[in-house]
Amino acid sequence: GQNIDQPTEMTATEGAIVQINCTYQTSGFNGLFWYQQHAGEAPTFLSYNVLDGLEEKGRFSSFLSRSKGYSYLLLKELQMKDSASYLCATEGMNRDDKIIFGKGTRLHILP
Amino acid sequence: NAGVTQTPKFRVLKTGQSMTLLCAQDMNHEYMYWYRQDPGMGLRLIHYSVGEGTTAKGEVPDGYNVSRLKKQNFLLGLESAAPSQTSVYFCASSYGGGTAQETQYFGPGTRLLVL
Repeated sequence: GQNIDQPTEMTATEGAIVQINCTYQTSGFNGLFWYQQHAGEAPTFLSYNVLDGLEEKGRFSSFLSRSKGYSYLLLKELQMKDSASYLCATEGMNRDDKIIFGKGTRLHILP
Repeated sequence: NAGVTQTPKFRVLKTGQSMTLLCAQDMNHEYMYWYRQDPGMGLRLIHYSVGEGTTAKGEVPDGYNVSRLKKQNFLLGLESAAPSQTSVYFCASSYGGGTAQETQYFGPGTRLLVL
């Protein structure tokens, strides 16, 4: 089975940097997703990590350590529109393995 | 391309009534999924399909049935609605090429209230 933990809520200030952590315990782990979900809207894809290390994509970066079962999403130069929930999700190795979502981290951005 | 669409967007049911939620995708994706999202519970998988004519149970399948008669459509049925099924329902699809990174594309959601 797979178990995913991430903080329930976080608060940060506009213009600052915030790191959202995700730890997972899984059998047959293949890769890890981050999705963004604004209130009342559908989740949208942010990033996918399969190798150890940092993947940078504009203001957002995602890190993975397979040996530690750990990932983080780093958001730089925070903007008010970044107020949203951020969902960590793990992917299994087999074709029919389902993606398992964490409960999400609600990020509040203060002016 | 419309992506993933869901109908209806909002519905109120009485306990015991039945209904069907429709999901459609125009991306020629093989895999389709139905999730429910409740406060504090995150996204939970109800049923999924890895191809036309196939369905499989997810984490919380009880009280729901699904059908995938056409590749582009995935139907979620509630035979006898219960208040515990009050939730936001999301449909998603992914390419299903058998390789990693099955990025899921989500529909806008259906808000269901069961009284």
